[in-house]
Amino acid sequence: DTGVSQDPRHKITKRGQNVTFRCDPISEHNRLYWYRQTLGQGPEFLTYFQNEAQLEKSRLLSDRFSAERPKGSFSTLEIQRTEQGDSAMYLCASSPLGVAATTGELFFGEGSRLTVL
Amino acid sequence: AQKVTQAQTEISVVEKEDVTLDCVYETRDTTYYLFWYKQPPSGELVFLIRRNSFDEQNEISGRYSWNFQKSTSSFNFTITASQVVDSAVYFCALKSNFGNEKLTFGTGTRLTIIP
Repeated sequence: DTGVSQDPRHKITKRGQNVTFRCDPISEHNRLYWYRQTLGQGPEFLTYFQNEAQLEKSRLLSDRFSAERPKGSFSTLEIQRTEQGDSAMYLCASSPLGVAATTGELFFGEGSRLTVL
Repeated sequence: AQKVTQAQTEISVVEKEDVTLDCVYETRDTTYYLFWYKQPPSGELVFLIRRNSFDEQNEISGRYSWNFQKSTSSFNFTITASQVVDSAVYFCALKSNFGNEKLTFGTGTRLTIIP
């Protein structure tokens, strides 16, 4: 069983460009989460899917951000017209059930680091 | 609003010493969950423990122990006989029991174990 995988691991882009990150959760995990982590800070919640339905979105997710999980498996996070403030590590996590069920463990990937020049 | 405070930004201890990482939280919810995660240099967060607000029993798992005190809104984490492999950033997190799936993380404590 492979863990949560994210691609690309590193992305350097110029301001104004669009970027897309992909997350492949652990198979059969129906919950998928996106978090953002800036240097020296803890992760901040962005959004969450149960299967293909996006059930929760943070106010951090401006209209330049869009996340999808079209078939309830992998997910993409797209950032349009990137700004320098978007530079961060974008973390994906999955779980078989919600954090209130069983152990509440989220399984995180290693993240996709975005640098906007 | 929910908030998690980890006042210790960085801690260094010599191997085999005990170390306690502090976590103080704020929430208006009567029921909630508290978590600790470890982030090694590779970057992926690793789950350590979840605690329900109605269960104030302390927990021990090997060299790790957790002290939950609702009266002081604290959920502290102690590593006994620290090892170099314990070097990482440790995050405390909070989740409301109602509705959402969002975890609110603290800013983390970077722990360095000196051999």
